[in-house]
Amino acid sequence: QVQLVESGGGVVQPGRSLRVSCAASGFIFSNYGMHWVRQAPGKGLEWVAVISSNGNKKFYGDSLMGRFTISRDNSKNTLYLQMSSLRVEDTAVYYCAKDPAGDTTMVIADHWGQGTLVTVSS
Amino acid sequence: QSALTQPASVSGSPGQSITISCTGTDSDIRAYNYVSWYQQHPGTAPKLIIYDVSWRPSGVSDRFSGSKSDNTAFLTVSGLQADDEADYYCASYTKSKKLVFGGGTKVTVL
Repeated sequence: QVQLVESGGGVVQPGRSLRVSCAASGFIFSNYGMHWVRQAPGKGLEWVAVISSNGNKKFYGDSLMGRFTISRDNSKNTLYLQMSSLRVEDTAVYYCAKDPAGDTTMVIADHWGQGTLVTVSS
Repeated sequence: QSALTQPASVSGSPGQSITISCTGTDSDIRAYNYVSWYQQHPGTAPKLIIYDVSWRPSGVSDRFSGSKSDNTAFLTVSGLQADDEADYYCASYTKSKKLVFGGGTKVTVL
């Protein structure tokens, strides 16, 4: 069965960088697009980014201002989110999610991980 | 890209039906049949319950149904059960090739 396990969250100071990861198993990782979605404490879902199956297409949410980079290593079945110039308002649980599409319109998150908490605080 | 608009809360008694609206714009919901709905119980990850406006993933109860009219999408939950008490989020693809979520609706079973 599909399994997605996020890691790398923790407490980080404002202005610093952090990379979170998502280890995938139970499906052919290189065939599917992947999303990052975040949820601030007590708030709603916010879409962060999506990457195509081969990594050639990447799209980002408007609020990120170019500070985040999504990437993947298909040889390691792992998805990444590199976050830089972190702000207090980036504090959230970061979920990775699989898309049933690989390279075409990636619009559905059909399986989700349990999330990793990133806290930005001085 | 602004979030889609959902009511903050909806409630109903067991066995009743409820409908949650999700209002977007000409650039998202009206433009594409790429509306999905997610259910989230407290402390857990979201779960896909509807995709492409009205399709249910395998294993999702047929008590959940989706529809769309113009720039508004709807999720209907029929035969309301205690376990349906959760937060529900809509999402839509946009003309700028992004995904946008609604603000979420808390469903309470009375």
